[in-house]
Amino acid sequence: AQSVTQLDSQVPVFEEAPVELRCNYSSSVSVYLFWYVQYPNQGLQLLLKYLSGSTLVESINGFEAEFNKSQTSFHLRKPSVHISDTAEYFCAVSDRFSGSARQLTFGSGTQLTVLP
Amino acid sequence: NAGVTQTPKFQVLKTGQSMTLQCAQDMNHNSMYWYRQDPGMGLRLIYYSASEGTTDKGEVPNGYNVSRLNKREFSLRLESAAPSQTSVYFCASSGEIWTEAFFGQGTRLTVV
Repeated sequence: AQSVTQLDSQVPVFEEAPVELRCNYSSSVSVYLFWYVQYPNQGLQLLLKYLSGSTLVESINGFEAEFNKSQTSFHLRKPSVHISDTAEYFCAVSDRFSGSARQLTFGSGTQLTVLP
Repeated sequence: NAGVTQTPKFQVLKTGQSMTLQCAQDMNHNSMYWYRQDPGMGLRLIYYSASEGTTDKGEVPNGYNVSRLNKREFSLRLESAAPSQTSVYFCASSGEIWTEAFFGQGTRLTVV
C-alpha cells in the first residue's frame, strides 16, 4: 500500500517570494501523482498531475512539480506567489496497476498562507 | 456542466439519528468515492464504487453504508450517527478508477 507525507503543515510566505511545498511518497510500484488545491469552504480542485512522460509538469497558474523517482518525491513549486494562492494543498498518489491495495491516497495537507 | 453535486451542504444531527448524503455526477464517470476530511489528517477513503453495481470498503468504513444507485448517483448513509463522525464529507468521481478525481463541494456534518 502506498502512503504520502507532506512534511510541512503550514507554510507562510511573503507575496512575490518563491515557495516549495514538499511531498514524499512510498509505493512499491509505478505511480500516478497529483496535487490538489482547496480554497476555504470549497472542494478539492486538481492543480496538476503526473501520469507519464516528462517528469516536470506545470499548471496554468504558474505552479510546477517535478517527479523524482529516485527520491520518491513530487514537490510543488512556484517562483512568485500571489495573495490569491492562499489555500490548502494536498499531494496524492495512486499505483498504476490494479490490486487490492490500490487506491488514491492523500497527504495530510499543507496550508500555504501568502502575506502582503 | 455541474460536475459533482452533493446535498446537503450542512447538517446537524443528534447522536443516534440516521441520514443519507446524496451525490450525483454528470460526467459519465465509472468510478465514485466518498472521503471524509478531518483537520491534520487529509482525506480518508470511506467507500468507493469502481463501476456501477459494485462497492468496496476503503480505509474507514465503520459506521457507514453506501449505495450505487445508478451510474450517476452514489449515496452515503449513517445509520446511527456518533460524534466521531463529525467531519466534512466529500464525494468524488473519476473516469477510470484511481486516476484524476473530481470533487463535490462537500457536506459539513456535525453530530451533537
